[in-house]
Amino acid sequence: EVQLLESGGNLIQTGGSLRLSCAASGFTFSDSAMTWVRQAPGKGLEWVSVISGGGGGTYYADAVKGRFTISRDNSKNTLYLQMNSLTAEDTGLYYCAKDGRDAYWSGSPSFHHWGQGTLVTVS
Amino acid sequence: QSALTQPASVSGSPGQSITISCTGTSSDVGRYNYVSWYQQYPGKAPKVMIYDVTKRPSGVSDRFSGSKSGNTASLTISGVQAVDEAYYYCYSYRSDSTGVFGGGTKLTVL
Repeated sequence: EVQLLESGGNLIQTGGSLRLSCAASGFTFSDSAMTWVRQAPGKGLEWVSVISGGGGGTYYADAVKGRFTISRDNSKNTLYLQMNSLTAEDTGLYYCAKDGRDAYWSGSPSFHHWGQGTLVTVS
Repeated sequence: QSALTQPASVSGSPGQSITISCTGTSSDVGRYNYVSWYQQYPGKAPKVMIYDVTKRPSGVSDRFSGSKSGNTASLTISGVQAVDEAYYYCYSYRSDSTGVFGGGTKLTVL
């Protein structure tokens, strides 16, 4: 069974930094692209970033480009999101999701497995 | 990166069919058959209902179906039930290798 467990969310001051983690199990982690999606309180889903299985390919939403860095440690089956220069607009629940694409970007860019999210509050 | 356009709300009586539209551009919805739909209950993580425009994951009711024409994708729920009352989001892959969600649609079962 695929399991994704996010952690690292916290209350942080404007301009601060935070690193989120997502521990994965139940599948071959290095064989799958991984994605971060966020949701502001009472708002819709927002795609944030994706990383390839090997970690060499990364893409970001314009809203976080230059401030957020996605990475992964395949030896630890863990996905990360380093968030810098945080603003109130970054407040929300951050989900990690298993991307439908494999390590070579082949397959469906859709999200069949999600974690429960970790809450980031910027104040 | 503008969000895909969805109606804010739709409603239907039990047993009726409802359709939720999702309008994008020639750089996302219109260019790729990589549209997916997600159901989300308040306080819960999203669940994929349709992927690759028309494909249904195992375990998802066949009352859910997807389609696409030009820059607009659609999710249809046939024989809507009270359990279907939730928020629905569309998603599309984009030509710059990023992704974009729709603003979300609240389905109310009357």
